[in-house]
Amino acid sequence: QVQLVESGGGVVQPGRSLRLSCVASGFTFKNYGMHWVRQAADKGLEWVAVIWYDGSKKYYADSVKGRFTISRDDSKNTLYLQVNTLRAEDTAMYYCVRDVGVRSPEYDYWGQGTLVTVSS
Amino acid sequence: DVVMTQSPLSLPVTLGQPASISCRSSQSLVSTDGNTYLNWFQQRPGQSPRRLIYEVSKRDSGVPDRFSGSGSGTDFTLKISRVEGEDVGAVYYCMQGTHWPPVTFGGGTKVEIK
Repeated sequence: QVQLVESGGGVVQPGRSLRLSCVASGFTFKNYGMHWVRQAADKGLEWVAVIWYDGSKKYYADSVKGRFTISRDDSKNTLYLQVNTLRAEDTAMYYCVRDVGVRSPEYDYWGQGTLVTVSS
Repeated sequence: DVVMTQSPLSLPVTLGQPASISCRSSQSLVSTDGNTYLNWFQQRPGQSPRRLIYEVSKRDSGVPDRFSGSGSGTDFTLKISRVEGEDVGAVYYCMQGTHWPPVTFGGGTKVEIK
């Protein structure tokens, strides 16, 4: 069965960095685009970034552009999100999401999330 | 960016009765390919979101048929024909994928017992 397992979150001071990981299993990872979506506590969902199935394209939300980098290692079935220069407003649960869409993002599986807390 | 506006913020419901949630977009979600990429998600407390509906009205596998989606252009609705206990306490989000990036979500509607 499809599984997405995130890790790498934690408590970090403002201005510091983290690398979030998402290990995929139960499907052919290299065939799918992947997204990161985040959710602050008791708040709504915010799209963060996407990487094409072949890594050829990457897009970011304006709120993270220049600070976050999405990448993938198909040999390890792993999606990454490098988060730099963290701010308090980046505090959130970060979800890895599989995209089965062709012309539009279609989210069918979500991971359980990894929590990032930015605090001094 | 397309702004998605949901209403109400909180929806008091009675078990066994119908309920509906509205979602409006700041511009038409009809794509150049003729499809409308409007999705609905359910998020129960402590869980990740789960997609219920895609392309306005197509129900995902395993989703009870009491859930239905409708609408066009900029106005969309998620309906629960008869609310069950497992539907209560969850937050429902609409999401557009027509004009992206970025993907944008509505602010969410929490379904609560009246």
